[in-house]
Amino acid sequence: DGGITQSPKYLFRKEGQNVTLSCEQNLNHDAMYWYRQDPGQGLRLIYYSQIVNDFQKGDIAEGYSVSREKKESFPLTVTSAQKNPTAFYLCASSTAGLASNEQFFGPGTRLTVL
Amino acid sequence: AQTVTQSQPEMSVQEAETVTLSCTYDTSESNYYLFWYKQPPSRQMILVIRQEAYKQQNATENRFSVNFQKAAKSFSLKISDSQLGDTAMYFCAFMKLHTGTASKLTFGTGTRLQVTL
Repeated sequence: DGGITQSPKYLFRKEGQNVTLSCEQNLNHDAMYWYRQDPGQGLRLIYYSQIVNDFQKGDIAEGYSVSREKKESFPLTVTSAQKNPTAFYLCASSTAGLASNEQFFGPGTRLTVL
Repeated sequence: AQTVTQSQPEMSVQEAETVTLSCTYDTSESNYYLFWYKQPPSRQMILVIRQEAYKQQNATENRFSVNFQKAAKSFSLKISDSQLGDTAMYFCAFMKLHTGTASKLTFGTGTRLQVTL
């Protein structure tokens, strides 16, 4: 089945540690995205990538980093510089170009900083 | 920058009844898409319906329909014959039309819909 997988589902980290969230898709989509969801704030865009080896900052990129070495994979690293990292993180993908009007979402990762 | 506003944090509807969720947006763009996404308790985001701004006809998907008022920048979602499985968080989202680039979504803060017996 084609889709997007995110792992792990729940992640705990100690304050001051970096942590990497995985996102893999087998939809052959060019574009991939990372969103953060907080209660009462909807989803906010962290980073996006339209092609391998290219990525752009979204609205709340500070304290995060990404890489796009393979078309299928778009991992997100939450660094110790992120002041309030506890949140629900969603990865999405879409086709590029004019047809890219639907984003498909993964099941999400709940990150809790202890 | 675009903004999306959902002014109803929570709503409740009885099973089999009809409910309308409100959404307004602000943009200077003329070509764009609007979406309603559903997020059930599983937290999986599911596309409910989409509307292309250049189309005057309102989109419909089975029990779901929209009232798109471009001049008023309003995009409401009507759910007919509500079912218990419709209980979820509903997000309105805006996408500016891009050519050859990733298409970023701007989301509203969501409306939590509870369907009751």
